Amino acid sequence: DVKVTQSSRYLVKRTGEKVFLECVQDMDHENMFWYRQDPGLGLRLIYFSYDVKMKEKGDIPEGYSVSREKKERFSLILESASTNQTSMYLCASRKAGTGSYGYTFGSGTRLTVV
Amino acid sequence: AQSVTQPDIHITVSEGASLELRCNYSYGATPYLFWYVQSPGQGLQLLLKYFSGDTLVQGIKGFEAEFKRSQSSFNLRKPSVHWSDAAEYFCAVVIYNQGGKLIFGQGTELSVKP
Repeated sequence: DVKVTQSSRYLVKRTGEKVFLECVQDMDHENMFWYRQDPGLGLRLIYFSYDVKMKEKGDIPEGYSVSREKKERFSLILESASTNQTSMYLCASRKAGTGSYGYTFGSGTRLTVV
Repeated sequence: AQSVTQPDIHITVSEGASLELRCNYSYGATPYLFWYVQSPGQGLQLLLKYFSGDTLVQGIKGFEAEFKRSQSSFNLRKPSVHWSDAAEYFCAVVIYNQGGKLIFGQGTELSVKP
């Protein structure tokens, strides 16, 4: 069964900390995505990556950065966590060049910044 | 700019009643459209998708959606709602010339009355 695994289900961090959210997929997918989910706002795209070492800003990249050193891993970095980054974070991946647009989502990481 | 709007943040229906969840999109080209469902504490599950062809699309769990280009809409319907359908529903459009990123609507939370 194909999987997107997010390393933590729940995280609590302090304001100002550097936070790493990890996402690993085992499907050899080129495209990977990071979203945050907030009530009433739906899922908003933070960053995405076409392939290894490639990254593009999404709709709300401020305060975040990403790293894609290996094809299977896409990391979201909060350089200095703030309380307004408390949210649910979802990772997704898909195979590039396919017409089916089959996306696989992780179970999410609920981050609380105190 | 590409966008998806779900006008209803929260809907309550009685069990056995019919359901229609609204979705409007803004996209310059032929849209690829999705409906996802997220049950409490669960990940995103694909209900159905539309790429081309028949504008009435059948999905899982008895759901269907109708694509109407003239109205820029892709509304989700179910003839008879079950208590287990209580969840949050998201409409999304693929931006296929930008790495296949998904743009989501704000979500509609469905409550089901006994």
